[in-house]
Amino acid sequence: QKEVEQNSGPLSVPEGAIASLNCTYSDRVSQSFFWYRQYSGKSPELIMSIYSNGDKEDGRFTAQLNKASQYVSLLIRDSQPSDSATYLCAVHQGGSEKLVFGKGTKLTVNP
Amino acid sequence: DVKVTQSSRYLVKRTGEKVFLECVQDMDHENMFWYRQDPGLGLRLIYFSYDVKMKEKGDIPEGYSVSREKKERFSLILESASTNQTSMYLCASSDLRSPLHFGNGTRLTVT
Repeated sequence: QKEVEQNSGPLSVPEGAIASLNCTYSDRVSQSFFWYRQYSGKSPELIMSIYSNGDKEDGRFTAQLNKASQYVSLLIRDSQPSDSATYLCAVHQGGSEKLVFGKGTKLTVNP
Repeated sequence: DVKVTQSSRYLVKRTGEKVFLECVQDMDHENMFWYRQDPGLGLRLIYFSYDVKMKEKGDIPEGYSVSREKKERFSLILESASTNQTSMYLCASSDLRSPLHFGNGTRLTVT
């Protein structure tokens, strides 16, 4: 079973700060990486996809991928209380349509 | 926008009952998935399907079966519900090598 590891947290940051969420994966041939946000009692929603090494920015969110280190991260700039949620890292298993999820990092943004 | 619809938001069933969870997607996606989510255990894949009438076991298929007679519909069947199947069940769909889009989830309680 290929694994995806995340710090379980909880991670607490003040409003306006940068929140940094990290994820490592074991399958060297993985090609697709995703970050999902899940509010309590709701289903996961996709916030970022990244497929190649480097940074990808979308508004206040930046995903970073380093395939050599098997590492993907999510930065949230100017964190808002509405960003308080659990963030799930997900990785496509190489050669498969199966998506493997980390257990998630719970983020709290304090006003 | 992709829409994945799960037939029930909350369900209460008795031990030993046969339970059907229905999921419909409207984007002509090839792949459909059933996950369960439990505190501390994260999202775990039960079954997935990459084509009509095709299915593949996920990580925890025991006690479950699935049916995909039409491309847009993927059903999860609990043959004989047990209390350890009390959980949040999430259906998702995706196109080839693309991120998953989740339904709203079904919270199943087996008493």
